[in-house]
Amino acid sequence: ETGVTQSPTHLIKTRGQQVTLRCSSQSGHNTVSWYQQALGQGPQFIFQYYREEENGRGNFPPRFSGLQFPNYSSELNVNALELDDSALYLCASSLVGGLSNEQFFGPGTRLTVL
Amino acid sequence: AQSVTQLGSHLSVSEGALVLLRCNYSSSVPPYLFWYVQYPNQGLQLLLKYTTGATLVKGINGFEAEFKKSETSFHLTKPSAHMSDAAEYFCAVSPRDSSASKIIFGSGTRLSIRP
Repeated sequence: ETGVTQSPTHLIKTRGQQVTLRCSSQSGHNTVSWYQQALGQGPQFIFQYYREEENGRGNFPPRFSGLQFPNYSSELNVNALELDDSALYLCASSLVGGLSNEQFFGPGTRLTVL
Repeated sequence: AQSVTQLGSHLSVSEGALVLLRCNYSSSVPPYLFWYVQYPNQGLQLLLKYTTGATLVKGINGFEAEFKKSETSFHLTKPSAHMSDAAEYFCAVSPRDSSASKIIFGSGTRLSIRP
């Protein structure tokens, strides 16, 4: 069974640029969620994708957008990067209809905005 | 809105001592409850979860947690700390009555182990 993978591991961008982060779900899972974890804080829910559509969103502006593909992999896109976007971005996969909303997390992508 | 409060952002205990990490949640309906651990420069690993049934839940690495509805708490314990337990611990909840299975995390408690 393959776990959740994310790429790249680290990324450095400058303010105003755009970035795309990628995630491959755990085998058998059909839902992907993205979280932002700023330094010293708990992860914050960005949004969730199910059946290639957004299925819930946290308190993040529209410049944070995503995609889910037929193979359940996903992308997180952030436009017009700001310094405060520097964080660890975590992807988590799960199975809709599961018993506990349990999500399985990838290792994360560390984004630094200069 | 649901929320999670973890008491104490840092906890230092001696090796072999009891570990107690406190967590309280706010929710009109008891949610699913989780404890995750995060080692430096890594993602989150599930320690244990409460869904239904027995309120004392056993997890990996010797950790356990007890769901107390009357106190809206889900404290994490381990009888004897090991050096390898040094990490960041997050309590989290997920609403049972939402179509989106998002997880709401507490701010975390960093656990240090003294030799």
